[in-house]
Amino acid sequence: DVKVTQSSRYLVKRTGEKVFLECVQDMDHENMFWYRQDPGLGLRLIYFSYDVKMKEKGDIPEGYSVSREKKERFSLILESASTNQTSMYLCASKPSGRVFYEQFFGPGTRLTVL
Amino acid sequence: KQEVTQIPAALSVPEGENLVLNCSFTDSAIYNLQWFRQDPGKGLTSLLLIQSSQREQTSGRLNASLDKSSGRSTLYIAASQPGDSATYLCAIPKGAAGNKLTFGGGTRVLVKP
Repeated sequence: DVKVTQSSRYLVKRTGEKVFLECVQDMDHENMFWYRQDPGLGLRLIYFSYDVKMKEKGDIPEGYSVSREKKERFSLILESASTNQTSMYLCASKPSGRVFYEQFFGPGTRLTVL
Repeated sequence: KQEVTQIPAALSVPEGENLVLNCSFTDSAIYNLQWFRQDPGKGLTSLLLIQSSQREQTSGRLNASLDKSSGRSTLYIAASQPGDSATYLCAIPKGAAGNKLTFGGGTRVLVKP
């Protein structure tokens, strides 16, 4: 079974802090994704990566950056956390090469910025 | 621009009743459609992926249909159980490689014992 893990289930940070959210997948997938989920707004794509050191902006990249130094690990970075970044963050992975494959999601990280 | 809609936003049924969940989309040129389940405070679990060339996909008590011409997919859950209570989301790939997903808003289901 595909396994996508996220470093924390719950995280509380203060405004202005630098925050790292880590995601690891164990299925050698080329593509990895970061989403945020908010009530009434649904799931929105922040960034995705289609290969090591490669990234592409999603629908809401402002205030975020990402890092993919190894194939299995994809990090989301909040350079200076703000209260409007309080949200549920979800990581996903997917094989490359064909559009027919499904995305597999991690358990999510609930981030609160005070 | 693809828009994905799920109506109703919430649904409550007695245990044993069949569940019918709807997903509508505006652009029929899709690669596939994926159905997910999300329990409160948790991540998404993939339920079914139905390819654009398929009309149905089945897994246990779950059956997903796809009608591209009318822009609709339906997820049927037979003989619902309290454990089926969750939010169900549909999603459609977008972009040249189909890596990005456009999600519907979800239908929150409560199955009463």
